[in-house]
Amino acid sequence: QSALTQPPSASGSPGQSVTISCTGTSSDVGGYNYVSWYQQHPGKAPKLLIYEVNKRPSGVPDRFSGSKSGNTASLTVSGLQAEDEADYYCGSYAAINGEVFGTGTKVSVL
Amino acid sequence: EAELVESGGGLVQPGGSLRLSCTATRFSLRAYWMHWVRQAPGKGLVWVSRINTDGRTRTYADSVGGRFTVSRDNDRNTVYLQMNSLRAEDTAVYYCARVGGSDPGAFDIWGQGTMVTVSS
Repeated sequence: QSALTQPPSASGSPGQSVTISCTGTSSDVGGYNYVSWYQQHPGKAPKLLIYEVNKRPSGVPDRFSGSKSGNTASLTVSGLQAEDEADYYCGSYAAINGEVFGTGTKVSVL
Repeated sequence: EAELVESGGGLVQPGGSLRLSCTATRFSLRAYWMHWVRQAPGKGLVWVSRINTDGRTRTYADSVGGRFTVSRDNDRNTVYLQMNSLRAEDTAVYYCARVGGSDPGAFDIWGQGTMVTVSS
Protein backbone atom coordinates (compact mmCIF):
# COMPACT_ATOMS: atom_id res chain seq x y z
CA GLN A 1 0.00 0.00 0.00
CA SER A 2 2.57 2.58 -1.06
CA ALA A 3 1.38 6.12 -1.68
CA LEU A 4 0.97 7.28 -5.25
CA THR A 5 3.71 9.67 -6.36
CA GLN A 6 2.92 13.33 -6.96
CA PRO A 7 5.28 16.30 -7.37
CA PRO A 8 5.55 18.24 -4.08
CA SER A 9 4.72 21.56 -5.67
CA ALA A 10 3.45 23.26 -8.81
CA SER A 11 2.78 26.88 -9.63
CA GLY A 12 1.44 29.22 -12.26
CA SER A 13 0.31 32.77 -12.80
CA PRO A 14 -3.37 33.71 -12.85
CA GLY A 15 -4.96 32.59 -16.10
CA GLN A 16 -2.28 30.00 -16.82
CA SER A 17 -2.60 26.23 -16.61
CA VAL A 18 -0.92 23.77 -14.28
CA THR A 19 -0.81 19.99 -14.59
CA ILE A 20 -0.18 17.61 -11.70
CA SER A 21 0.88 14.01 -12.25
CA CYS A 22 0.03 11.01 -10.10
CA THR A 23 1.99 7.80 -10.65
CA GLY A 24 0.99 4.45 -9.28
CA THR A 25 1.14 0.84 -10.38
CA SER A 26 -0.90 -1.69 -12.30
CA SER A 27 -2.53 -2.62 -8.96
CA ASP A 28 -4.12 0.79 -8.55
CA VAL A 29 -4.00 3.65 -11.09
CA GLY A 30 -3.19 1.42 -14.04
CA GLY A 31 -5.59 -1.32 -13.13
CA TYR A 32 -8.85 0.57 -12.84
CA ASN A 33 -10.54 3.67 -14.23
CA TYR A 34 -11.21 4.76 -10.68
CA VAL A 35 -8.89 7.69 -10.15
CA SER A 36 -10.15 10.65 -8.16
CA TRP A 37 -8.72 14.07 -7.33
CA TYR A 38 -9.27 16.21 -4.24
CA GLN A 39 -8.61 19.83 -3.34
CA GLN A 40 -7.80 20.73 0.25
CA HIS A 41 -7.48 24.21 1.65
CA PRO A 42 -5.66 24.70 4.98
CA GLY A 43 -7.66 23.50 7.94
CA LYS A 44 -10.47 22.18 5.74
CA ALA A 45 -11.67 18.76 4.68
CA PRO A 46 -10.80 17.58 1.18
CA LYS A 47 -13.24 18.31 -1.64
CA LEU A 48 -13.87 15.93 -4.53
CA LEU A 49 -12.91 17.48 -7.89
CA ILE A 50 -12.69 14.52 -10.27
CA TYR A 51 -13.86 10.90 -10.18
CA GLU A 52 -13.57 7.98 -12.60
CA VAL A 53 -10.45 9.62 -14.09
CA ASN A 54 -12.16 12.51 -15.86
CA LYS A 55 -15.67 13.12 -14.52
CA ARG A 56 -16.61 16.22 -12.52
CA PRO A 57 -19.20 16.28 -9.75
CA SER A 58 -21.92 18.85 -10.04
CA GLY A 59 -20.64 22.29 -9.10
CA VAL A 60 -16.98 21.72 -9.95
CA PRO A 61 -15.84 24.18 -12.64
CA ASP A 62 -14.80 22.78 -16.01
CA ARG A 63 -11.41 24.42 -15.46
CA PHE A 64 -10.56 21.17 -13.66
CA SER A 65 -9.95 18.18 -15.90
CA GLY A 66 -8.46 14.73 -15.48
CA SER A 67 -6.83 12.11 -17.66
CA LYS A 68 -4.88 8.87 -17.42
CA SER A 69 -2.28 7.00 -19.41
CA GLY A 70 -1.04 3.67 -18.12
CA ASN A 71 -0.03 3.95 -14.48
CA THR A 72 -0.04 7.77 -14.47
CA ALA A 73 -3.02 10.04 -13.99
CA SER A 74 -3.03 13.82 -14.37
CA LEU A 75 -5.06 16.76 -13.17
CA THR A 76 -5.03 19.98 -15.17
CA VAL A 77 -6.22 23.26 -13.72
CA SER A 78 -6.82 25.76 -16.50
CA GLY A 79 -7.33 29.49 -16.09
CA LEU A 80 -5.71 29.52 -12.65
CA GLN A 81 -7.46 31.64 -10.06
CA ALA A 82 -6.28 32.80 -6.65
CA GLU A 83 -8.73 30.45 -4.92
CA ASP A 84 -7.10 27.47 -6.64
CA GLU A 85 -4.12 27.82 -4.31
CA ALA A 86 -4.42 24.66 -2.22
CA ASP A 87 -3.12 21.13 -1.75
CA TYR A 88 -4.22 18.57 -4.32
CA TYR A 89 -4.35 14.81 -3.81
CA CYS A 90 -5.03 12.00 -6.20
CA GLY A 91 -6.66 8.81 -5.05
CA SER A 92 -7.12 5.40 -6.62
CA TYR A 93 -9.29 2.42 -5.91
CA ALA A 94 -7.03 -0.51 -5.06
CA ALA A 95 -9.47 -3.43 -4.79
CA ILE A 96 -8.72 -5.67 -1.79
CA ASN A 97 -6.18 -3.11 -0.58
CA GLY A 98 -8.84 -0.46 -0.24
CA GLU A 99 -7.85 2.97 -1.45
CA VAL A 100 -4.53 4.67 -1.92
CA PHE A 101 -3.82 8.41 -1.99
CA GLY A 102 -1.07 10.40 -3.58
CA THR A 103 1.66 12.21 -1.69
CA GLY A 104 0.02 15.58 -2.37
CA THR A 105 0.94 18.63 -4.43
CA LYS A 106 0.90 22.20 -3.19
CA VAL A 107 -0.28 24.52 -5.93
CA SER A 108 0.76 28.14 -5.70
CA VAL A 109 -0.76 30.94 -7.75
CA LEU A 110 2.01 33.44 -8.38
CA GLU B 1 -27.23 19.82 2.57
CA ALA B 2 -25.96 16.33 3.40
CA GLU B 3 -23.25 16.28 6.05
CA LEU B 4 -21.05 13.95 8.06
CA VAL B 5 -20.15 14.90 11.62
CA GLU B 6 -17.29 13.17 13.44
CA SER B 7 -16.80 13.07 17.20
CA GLY B 8 -14.80 11.19 19.80
CA GLY B 9 -11.31 12.49 19.22
CA GLY B 10 -9.02 13.67 21.97
CA LEU B 11 -5.79 13.09 23.86
CA VAL B 12 -4.96 9.50 24.79
CA GLN B 13 -1.86 7.81 26.18
CA PRO B 14 0.11 5.29 24.13
CA GLY B 15 -1.55 1.89 24.40
CA GLY B 16 -4.93 3.46 25.07
CA SER B 17 -8.20 3.30 23.17
CA LEU B 18 -10.68 5.68 21.58
CA ARG B 19 -13.90 5.25 19.64
CA LEU B 20 -14.68 7.70 16.89
CA SER B 21 -18.21 8.27 15.63
CA CYS B 22 -19.39 9.60 12.29
CA THR B 23 -23.04 10.58 12.04
CA ALA B 24 -24.82 11.48 8.84
CA THR B 25 -27.29 14.34 8.72
CA ARG B 26 -29.87 15.00 6.00
CA PHE B 27 -29.25 11.65 4.31
CA SER B 28 -29.37 7.97 5.20
CA LEU B 29 -26.01 6.18 5.53
CA ARG B 30 -27.70 2.85 4.85
CA ALA B 31 -27.02 2.77 1.11
CA TYR B 32 -23.39 3.85 1.15
CA TRP B 33 -19.97 2.35 1.65
CA MET B 34 -18.09 4.41 4.21
CA HIS B 35 -14.38 5.02 4.72
CA TRP B 36 -12.05 6.46 7.31
CA VAL B 37 -9.06 8.55 6.21
CA ARG B 38 -6.45 10.19 8.41
CA GLN B 39 -4.00 13.05 8.06
CA ALA B 40 -1.08 13.53 10.42
CA PRO B 41 -0.18 17.17 11.17
CA GLY B 42 1.42 18.72 8.09
CA LYS B 43 1.24 15.45 6.16
CA GLY B 44 -0.85 13.91 3.41
CA LEU B 45 -4.03 11.87 3.33
CA VAL B 46 -3.79 8.22 4.31
CA TRP B 47 -6.56 5.69 3.84
CA VAL B 48 -7.43 3.76 7.03
CA SER B 49 -10.48 1.57 6.61
CA ARG B 50 -13.75 0.93 4.77
CA ILE B 51 -17.03 -0.82 5.49
CA ASN B 52 -19.74 -1.94 3.11
CA THR B 53 -23.43 -1.13 3.39
CA ASP B 54 -24.44 -3.99 5.71
CA GLY B 55 -21.22 -4.01 7.72
CA ARG B 56 -20.16 -7.51 6.72
CA THR B 57 -17.22 -6.47 4.55
CA ARG B 58 -14.45 -4.51 6.23
CA THR B 59 -10.96 -3.67 5.01
CA TYR B 60 -8.03 -2.07 6.81
CA ALA B 61 -4.70 -0.50 5.99
CA ASP B 62 -1.78 -2.67 7.09
CA SER B 63 -0.74 -0.02 9.60
CA VAL B 64 -3.96 -0.37 11.63
CA GLY B 65 -5.08 -3.93 10.98
CA GLY B 66 -5.55 -5.89 14.20
CA ARG B 67 -5.79 -2.69 16.25
CA PHE B 68 -8.68 -0.76 14.65
CA THR B 69 -12.23 -1.98 14.02
CA VAL B 70 -14.77 -0.26 11.80
CA SER B 71 -18.48 -0.83 12.36
CA ARG B 72 -21.80 0.77 11.59
CA ASP B 73 -25.30 1.14 12.98
CA ASN B 74 -27.55 2.03 10.08
CA ASP B 75 -30.51 2.61 12.40
CA ARG B 76 -28.49 5.28 14.21
CA ASN B 77 -27.10 6.60 10.89
CA THR B 78 -23.61 6.28 12.35
CA VAL B 79 -20.29 4.67 11.51
CA TYR B 80 -17.67 3.98 14.16
CA LEU B 81 -13.92 3.46 14.35
CA GLN B 82 -12.73 1.66 17.45
CA MET B 83 -9.02 2.32 17.92
CA ASN B 84 -7.04 0.16 20.35
CA SER B 85 -3.35 -0.11 21.23
CA LEU B 86 -2.83 3.43 20.02
CA ARG B 87 0.65 4.59 19.07
CA ALA B 88 2.22 8.02 18.67
CA GLU B 89 2.15 7.53 14.90
CA ASP B 90 -1.65 7.30 15.00
CA THR B 91 -1.78 11.00 15.87
CA ALA B 92 -3.82 12.63 13.11
CA VAL B 93 -7.05 14.25 12.07
CA TYR B 94 -9.48 11.45 11.28
CA TYR B 95 -12.07 11.97 8.58
CA CYS B 96 -15.01 9.80 7.65
CA ALA B 97 -16.05 9.91 4.01
CA ARG B 98 -18.87 8.62 1.85
CA VAL B 99 -18.63 6.80 -1.46
CA GLY B 100 -21.43 8.56 -3.28
CA GLY B 101 -21.49 7.12 -6.77
CA SER B 102 -20.20 4.63 -9.27
CA ASP B 103 -16.52 5.12 -8.46
CA PRO B 104 -15.80 2.92 -5.40
CA GLY B 105 -12.82 5.07 -4.47
CA ALA B 106 -14.35 8.53 -4.86
CA PHE B 107 -15.47 10.23 -1.67
CA ASP B 108 -18.10 12.86 -2.34
CA ILE B 109 -18.87 13.89 1.24
CA TRP B 110 -16.30 14.27 4.02
CA GLY B 111 -16.75 15.09 7.66
CA GLN B 112 -15.02 18.04 9.26
CA GLY B 113 -12.48 15.74 10.94
CA THR B 114 -11.72 14.92 14.57
CA MET B 115 -8.24 15.21 16.06
CA VAL B 116 -6.65 12.25 17.80
CA THR B 117 -3.46 12.88 19.75
CA VAL B 118 -1.52 9.96 21.19
CA SER B 119 0.98 11.19 23.76
CA SER B 120 2.06 10.61 27.32
